Amino acid sequence: DTGVSQDPRHKITKRGQNVTFRCDPISEHNRLYWYRQTLGQGPEFLTYFQNEAQLEKSRLLSDRFSAERPKGSFSTLEIQRTEQGDSAMYLCASSLGQSLAKNIQYFGAGTRLSVL
Amino acid sequence: QQPVQSPQAVILREGEDAVINCSSSKALYSVHWYRQKHGEAPVFLMILLKGGEQKGHDKISASFNEKKQQSSLYLTASQLSYSGTYFCGTEIGGGSEKLVFGKGTKLTVNP
Repeated sequence: DTGVSQDPRHKITKRGQNVTFRCDPISEHNRLYWYRQTLGQGPEFLTYFQNEAQLEKSRLLSDRFSAERPKGSFSTLEIQRTEQGDSAMYLCASSLGQSLAKNIQYFGAGTRLSVL
Repeated sequence: QQPVQSPQAVILREGEDAVINCSSSKALYSVHWYRQKHGEAPVFLMILLKGGEQKGHDKISASFNEKKQQSSLYLTASQLSYSGTYFCGTEIGGGSEKLVFGKGTKLTVNP
């Protein structure tokens, strides 16, 4: 257990539905990241937060995706109007972020999304 | 740019050694190594900062050649528990905090 919690672990939805995932980072970590991982690939960066500020977003993050981190604690990732291509493992990671040398990211177990 | 990992897969017998390579076309600030078992979270192994340092963790060590933009992970006297997929994540620095991961190297250690 890395200390990063994600909920739910699995989500099955029908195409066109909206889904929301939650991530609880390690409590003292300022930075929170979202990645997406498909079969046979490494994690792909989606977005990251420094406290409550969203500082960088990937071009992979279409306008159907939105992420929030209110109050700089937990984060949510919402996908609207899901498509079959959204099926993947969504991973959350957190880091202390106090210096570049301490940007060790600890990952949660992920939420596996299946869009039917 | 996604780093290139080699080999894509390797099969070992317990006690054998292995080397996994990670190569980038971009100048790197740091390289992070993770191991992921099926259905589980990637687990952090080690971080190497630019400066050519080599770090070790039990019988797993790694090196980072910033001039060649390459890192290698060395697994010595492999154990069954080493099985999994190994990913390198590269950080280019300059204010960008994201990691760009390779496609992974699947390591299987057999008895």
